[in-house]
Amino acid sequence: QVQLQESAPDLVKPSETLSLTCAVSGFSISRGYYWGWIRQPPGKGLEWIGSLYPSGSGNTYYSPSLKSRLTMSVDTSKNQISLILSSVTAADTATYYCARSSGWSGGFDYWGQGSLVTVSS
Amino acid sequence: QSALTQPRSVSGSPGQSVTISCTGTSSDVGGYNYVSWYQQHPGKAPKFLIYDVIKRPSGVPDRFSGSKSGNTASLTISGLQAEDEADYYCCSYAGPYILVFGGGTKLTVL
Repeated sequence: QVQLQESAPDLVKPSETLSLTCAVSGFSISRGYYWGWIRQPPGKGLEWIGSLYPSGSGNTYYSPSLKSRLTMSVDTSKNQISLILSSVTAADTATYYCARSSGWSGGFDYWGQGSLVTVSS
Repeated sequence: QSALTQPRSVSGSPGQSVTISCTGTSSDVGGYNYVSWYQQHPGKAPKFLIYDVIKRPSGVPDRFSGSKSGNTASLTISGLQAEDEADYYCCSYAGPYILVFGGGTKLTVL
């Protein structure tokens, strides 16, 4: 059974860097699937942050609106993916989800439970 | 890339059918048959309902169906049940290598 579990600090100060990890169990992240990050500000809708494809060259794909502050990576030895978002502001306060996708057409079939990150001083 | 346009809310009585629209442009919804739909109950992660506009993952009841016409995709829920009350989101490929979600629709079962 595929399971995803996000880990993140509850609170991050403005202008600092947010780091999240997504531990995957029950499935190897190198097995030809895409892994995405999606966030949801409190009371608002979903926003795609980016996706990565660990197989082959480990390509990453970022939302244009976040690209300048975003880094996604994979650690195949730990079977987990990571997200780093720099220079955070209150607008980055959200529940962050990681999810699996078979491709750009396949949709996100498995999701983590989400991790709420608050940006505040 | 702008969010896809969904009605803020829809409602229906048990047993009825409701349709939720998701309007984009020729650069996203209209340009690709890569629309997916998700159901989200309060405090829960989204659940995968539909992909490739019309396909249903295993385990999703056939009461849920998807369609598309031009730049607008739609999710229809037939035989409405109380547990269908949730938020619903569409998502489309907006190429190259970009995804965009809709703003979400709150479904109320009367």
